[in-house]
Amino acid sequence: DTGVSQDPRHKITKRGQNVTFRCDPISEHNRLYWYRQTLGQGPEFLTYFQNEAQLEKSRLLSDRFSAERPKGSFSTLEIQRTEQGDSAMYLCASSLQLDTQYFGPGTRLTVL
Amino acid sequence: AQSVTQLDSQVPVFEEAPVELRCNYSSSVSVYLFWYVQYPNQGLQLLLKYLSGSTLVESINGFEAEFNKSQTSFHLRKPSVHISDTAEYFCAVTRSNSGYALNFGKGTSLLVTP
Repeated sequence: DTGVSQDPRHKITKRGQNVTFRCDPISEHNRLYWYRQTLGQGPEFLTYFQNEAQLEKSRLLSDRFSAERPKGSFSTLEIQRTEQGDSAMYLCASSLQLDTQYFGPGTRLTVL
Repeated sequence: AQSVTQLDSQVPVFEEAPVELRCNYSSSVSVYLFWYVQYPNQGLQLLLKYLSGSTLVESINGFEAEFNKSQTSFHLRKPSVHISDTAEYFCAVTRSNSGYALNFGKGTSLLVTP
């Protein structure tokens, strides 16, 4: 059990560019979650997968955001045409049982 | 939809003093409750959780929280804090009949000084 990993840890981009983040959950965890955390706030739910199926999306997830989990293992979160308001820490979590979510270290996005 | 209120954004306390971090939630359905901790420059870690059964739950490092359904609270307590407890603490709630996405409070920054 190596824990949840996320790549990259930091990303700096210019406004209007596309970015993609990767999350590798704990192996055999069938549920995977994406959250966003801004300074001084708690994490906010974005979307959730059970295996490869995306089952729930927050209203925070605008059309510029897309997430995939093609084989039910790793997941990617893409943001198109980034805006300065997208600057945040993007967190991934995974779980096996329907309670405890294990979080990765996060990807810090800075949009200039 | 359920929501979480952490009443204190910052709690300064001296080492070996007791501390209580307050958390209230609102929900019309049964919930699961969690406290997560985020140490400086580290990711979120589960501290303790309430799913069912005994309303008093404990962590391995001396924290405890009590689920109070009538007051819709899940306050976190420790009788004697250490410098190493300095961290950001997040209370979270999830519905027992959903995909279990967590709703977090804004966090409480616990600062323990000598």
